[in-house]
Amino acid sequence: EVQLVESGGGLVQPGRSLRLSCEASGFTFDDHAMHWVRQAPGKGLEWVSGISWNSGSRGYADSVKGRFTISRDNAKNSLYLQMNSLRAEDMALYYCARVNDTSGVYNFDIWGQGTMVTVSS
Amino acid sequence: DIQMTQSPSSLSASVGDRVTITCRASQSISTYLNWYQKNPGKAPKLLIYGASNLQSGVPSRFSGSGSGTDFTLTISTLQPEDFATYYCQQSYSVLTFGQGTRLEIK
Repeated sequence: EVQLVESGGGLVQPGRSLRLSCEASGFTFDDHAMHWVRQAPGKGLEWVSGISWNSGSRGYADSVKGRFTISRDNAKNSLYLQMNSLRAEDMALYYCARVNDTSGVYNFDIWGQGTMVTVSS
Repeated sequence: DIQMTQSPSSLSASVGDRVTITCRASQSISTYLNWYQKNPGKAPKLLIYGASNLQSGVPSRFSGSGSGTDFTLTISTLQPEDFATYYCQQSYSVLTFGQGTRLEIK
């Protein structure tokens, strides 16, 4: 079964750090770019960051640039998001998502169930 | 960044109705437009990619159209499981989502 499972969320104080993980199974992980998307409580979906299959290209939303770092370990079929200097506005459910671009149109065809990050003192 | 604006923001409809949701891009994005369904407590689900291509396993009552700046998602005959929030997303440049359209039962 194709699956993505996120972990690492929790309660953290403003200004502190947290590292999210996403473990992939059921497909060839290094065939795909991977991304993080978040949804704050009561809000819509927001793209956070993405990484190419070989880590050669990385992108970030302006809201997290300079504070978050995306990485992957293809040997471990895992995607990561290092989040530093966390703010109240970073509180959200964080999803990892697999890219499918075989059609020539970049889209997210597989999503995890999400891991919740709560930022509060 | 390209702004994506969906309308309406919310919509009430009945089982069996035909509904259309619109998504407008702030600049031309060709057909680099995807639609997702989001239910509370569940992961988003890809419905349509490339503006009009039905994702494998998605019922044929869902369809998408448009190019350039104006796009639509149509559900031909609403089923109970279709009451959810729908998001458009452009993949022409830095990825952005629309604000969502909440489809509620009338």
